[in-house]
Amino acid sequence: EVQLLQSGGGLVQPGGSLRLSCAASKFPFASYAMTWVRQAPGKGLEWVSTLSGGAESAYYADSVKGRFTISRDNFKNMLYLQMNSLRVEDTAVYFCAKDILNNWDDPGAAFDIWGQGTLVTVSS
Amino acid sequence: DIVLTQSPVSLAVTPGEPASISCRSSQSLVHSNGYNYLDWYVQKPGKSPQLLIYVASNRASGVPDRFSGSGSGTDFTLKISRVEAEDVGVYYCMQALQTPPLTFGGGTKVEIK
Repeated sequence: EVQLLQSGGGLVQPGGSLRLSCAASKFPFASYAMTWVRQAPGKGLEWVSTLSGGAESAYYADSVKGRFTISRDNFKNMLYLQMNSLRVEDTAVYFCAKDILNNWDDPGAAFDIWGQGTLVTVSS
Repeated sequence: DIVLTQSPVSLAVTPGEPASISCRSSQSLVHSNGYNYLDWYVQKPGKSPQLLIYVASNRASGVPDRFSGSGSGTDFTLKISRVEAEDVGVYYCMQALQTPPLTFGGGTKVEIK
């Protein structure tokens, strides 16, 4: 079964760091861009970051730029989100998602496979 | 950034009746190739979002044909022809024309009467 299995997350103090992982299976991982989307408690969906299939191009929301780093290991079929300088407002469930595109050179992103989500709580 | 406004915020529907959700964009979502880059997702209670419609009117794999997407430019609609109990959830539109940033609508909660 095509799936994304997430790990990481938890409770961290403001200013701290955390790394999220997303393990892909049963699809050609390197052929697709991968994205992180988050959802604050009781709120809607917010795009966080996207990385092209070959890791040539990374994109970030202004709210996380300079603090978060997206990366991938195409040999291990893994996607990561390194989160530094965490703030209370970063508290959310984070989802990884597979794009139908390889990159964002052209429009048309759509996310056909999603991970189960992992909760990140930033609190003192 | 493109802003998407969904309406209504919530709606309660009798099973078997139709439902319609609107998504209005602050900018046209028509590309020079003629395609409208607007997707629809549903997030069922306690679950991850799932893709329903892409490029405004194309149903994703496995999506029942009671779901349909329409619209062009700045006005888009998701219709459920006959609502079923399993359709309960929050529906989001998402624009994929101008990225980054990719933006979502605020969501529409669908409940059963």
